[in-house]
Amino acid sequence: GAVVSQHPSWVICKSGTSVKIECRSLDFQATTMFWYRQFPKQSLMLMATSNEGSKATYEQGVEKDKFLINHASLTLSTLTVTSAHPEDSSFYICSARAWTYNEQFFGPGTRLTVL
Amino acid sequence: KQEVTQIPAALSVPEGENLVLNCSFTDSAIYNLQWFRQDPGKGLTSLLLIQSSQREQTSGRLNASLDKSSGRSTLYIAASQPGDSATYLCAVRANQAGTALIFGKGTTLSVSS
Repeated sequence: GAVVSQHPSWVICKSGTSVKIECRSLDFQATTMFWYRQFPKQSLMLMATSNEGSKATYEQGVEKDKFLINHASLTLSTLTVTSAHPEDSSFYICSARAWTYNEQFFGPGTRLTVL
Repeated sequence: KQEVTQIPAALSVPEGENLVLNCSFTDSAIYNLQWFRQDPGKGLTSLLLIQSSQREQTSGRLNASLDKSSGRSTLYIAASQPGDSATYLCAVRANQAGTALIFGKGTTLSVSS
């Protein structure tokens, strides 16, 4: 199957700082990328959908000014958590899909801890 | 809005038992349904993907069925092993271009030796 990577795999930051998470499709061109958030013992909640070269579509309740998504190329999407607070601590997972695939391929996730 | 429900939320069984995990979804207009495994603190491992036109998929000791009209899917695990202990997530994709998978809350399985 296709491979999706995320970087970093974990990050600890101070409250008020911004954190950037990268999601890359390594062996295919991802026309669409998705960002999910997972709190402890909860399921994955879709945050936003992004198509290459266009603005992301955010799910209801997700602050677009706080969670900045950039899908600038067919192999890279970034999620920036701006002015992070402890309640933003979570497991962030990206996934990617190409026109030629029926399924989404998931990255390994990034564990964010905000102190 | 699509909602995915998984029952039971948790399950504990002795090694060797056959077991069934249930998934239901409210909108039957799906493109496909996928079962994942997630180990604690880890990412997702895709187990089985069933297209809307299919009724089941099998991989090793795993068998997933889909009844689209009734909005149900089951994941059957035969001869369970301690290594099967994990959270199993069911997810559906709507029958629209560009849509994301919507996940259930998962069933946490514990298999004791």
